[in-house]
Amino acid sequence: AQSVTQLGSHVSVSEGALVLLRCNYSSSVPPYLFWYVQYPNQGLQLLLKYTSAATLVKGINGFEAEFKKSETSFHLTKPSAHMSDAAEYFCAVTLMNSGYSTLTFGKGTMLLVSP
Amino acid sequence: KAGVTQTPRYLIKTRGQQVTLSCSPISGHRSVSWYQQTPGQGLQFLFEYFSETQRNKGNFPGRFSGRQFSNSRSEMNVSTLELGDSALYLCASKDTGSSTGELFFGEGSRLTVL
Repeated sequence: AQSVTQLGSHVSVSEGALVLLRCNYSSSVPPYLFWYVQYPNQGLQLLLKYTSAATLVKGINGFEAEFKKSETSFHLTKPSAHMSDAAEYFCAVTLMNSGYSTLTFGKGTMLLVSP
Repeated sequence: KAGVTQTPRYLIKTRGQQVTLSCSPISGHRSVSWYQQTPGQGLQFLFEYFSETQRNKGNFPGRFSGRQFSNSRSEMNVSTLELGDSALYLCASKDTGSSTGELFFGEGSRLTVL
């Protein structure tokens, strides 16, 4: 079975600082990986996805993530944080044996951005 | 294209009652999944429907059920509500022509059980 671990339930950065949200996965077969963002009282919005093409994936709002198979990681980064980035971020994995239909999510990381 | 629409957005029920939540997927999407989100357990998969058939099911008791209609709209039902069923219930649709597993989520139905 697959699993996702997000290190740090809360991450605090200053506006303009680097954002780094960590995600490690466990899977016996090559996974597809996703980062979603959730703003208060809203659903999940896809930031970016890795589907076995390029290992460095660029997403919306200046975010990017790098798939590292040797480290089983898919960390999310953004060079310069903006106040509007404050939200909860979820890493998720899906596998071919579920028809890529079932997502397993990490527990989420709340990003706090201070002025 | 309109996004995934969930109704109602908020509702309050008492223990022992039942509730039905509705989800309209993005036009053309035939796969609909449901997830439960709670502060303690995070996001957990409930079930997935495709072409009116349940294709996958998570580890939830039989009080949780769902169905999908011929127009791909889906409903989920929770019977004999318990306090622990208080959660945000998220519906997601998927373009089954896509091979990448990307899900599009609605804004959720927030259920409070008193």
